[in-house]
Amino acid sequence: DQQVKQNSPSLSVQEGRISILNCDYTNSMFDYFLWYKKYPAEGPTFLISISSIKDKNEDGRFTVFLNKSAKHLSLHIVPSQPGDSAVYFCAASAPNFGNEKLTFGTGTRLTIIP
Amino acid sequence: EPEVTQTPSHQVTQMGQEVILRCVPISNHLYFYWYRQILGQKVEFLVSFYNNEISEKSEIFDDQFSVERPDGSNFTLKIRSTKLEDSAMYFCASSVRGKGLGQDEQFFGPGTRLTVL
Repeated sequence: DQQVKQNSPSLSVQEGRISILNCDYTNSMFDYFLWYKKYPAEGPTFLISISSIKDKNEDGRFTVFLNKSAKHLSLHIVPSQPGDSAVYFCAASAPNFGNEKLTFGTGTRLTIIP
Repeated sequence: EPEVTQTPSHQVTQMGQEVILRCVPISNHLYFYWYRQILGQKVEFLVSFYNNEISEKSEIFDDQFSVERPDGSNFTLKIRSTKLEDSAMYFCASSVRGKGLGQDEQFFGPGTRLTVL
């Protein structure tokens, strides 16, 4: 079951530059998307979300873009900081269809190089 | 800042034994979840719970699993007879809104690492 895919298992970015993490989904019922950040031995921490009625949502250094026709979303972090080094998970749900469970991708390990 | 808490942080048990994992969701949240992550794999949904009953469960959540909200604050996951393949990190999560009331982010606890020997 690969309804949510993160095709890059890892990404290294220089401090101060932009980090772009990508996510693809296959289920057309998904209408709510979230990004979580996870450090080892901790639970996922909510970062930012976007509804399917929008194509962009911004919160400080984090911006999520949604391309519904391509079933693709991305998370932009700018500028990248050393504390951003973590595993980032994309997740999706279909709450407007009564389905709040999150379906997660496999994660992308982001390393920020000082 | 309110947070989801889980106890214990690490549980070691023998195969066939019962375990209870405990969670205290954020106090004004209405919707509760359990997820698990087997080492090296993705986070998987187990069950959601709203208004004192199971709202949805996955194929993983078979008869060996049960959930309960025994009082106004705790939310528990019980595994009746543990198997080796139940070894995983178990995460509790909660969200503000109830089923059908719109989109809402889920907040996760730090997890309980379950090791079945």
